[in-house]
Amino acid sequence: AQSVTQLDSQVPVFEEAPVELRCNYSSSVSVYLFWYVQYPNQGLQLLLKYLSGSTLVKGINGFEAEFNKSQTSFHLRKPSVHISDTAEYFCAVSGRNRDDKIIFGKGTRLHILP
Amino acid sequence: GAVVSQHPSRVICKSGTSVKIECRSLDFQATTMFWYRQFPKQSLMLMATSNEGSKATYEQGVEKDKFLINHASLTLSTLTVTSAHPEDSSFYICSAKGGDGTQYFGPGTRLLVL
Repeated sequence: AQSVTQLDSQVPVFEEAPVELRCNYSSSVSVYLFWYVQYPNQGLQLLLKYLSGSTLVKGINGFEAEFNKSQTSFHLRKPSVHISDTAEYFCAVSGRNRDDKIIFGKGTRLHILP
Repeated sequence: GAVVSQHPSRVICKSGTSVKIECRSLDFQATTMFWYRQFPKQSLMLMATSNEGSKATYEQGVEKDKFLINHASLTLSTLTVTSAHPEDSSFYICSAKGGDGTQYFGPGTRLLVL
């Protein structure tokens, strides 16, 4: 079984400043890792994913994340945020079998301050 | 990229009526689809896993006779909320699993039961 921890429920950051949203996971097997973004009253949009290969993953909207196996982390970063990045961000993990479910963290709300 | 649609996006119904929500994978085939429910300011709660051609697997505490799931084809799964009551009002989101293990989410359906 897997689990995901997003330690920060809310992260305020000034516009054009860098941001890091933290995500730690636990699993006894190899996993896939994901970050999703949810804008108000919308579904989830995939930001980026780690399946295998390079541990630094680049996604849409200027976001990137680094898979750190030793620290079981998959933190999300952006060097300069915009007001449009205001949203809820979910880290997720799943096993690698076809029927494996995806497990979500509780989410981190990113507040962009003008 | 992979696109998942949901219909309707919003529905208001009277208590006691049944509501059907459709989830379609538009440009890929999905043998596995998932149905989630999301309460305000919370993460997604998995309701059931829908496998094409077989019965859905429901999570603990989810009434299978209340939430009927049909996955008749590789691109369509439906969720029917039977005899809906005000406590069933929620945001329902589906996802479809792509061949690489990534889950792609629909835009969600807002259900309001009066």
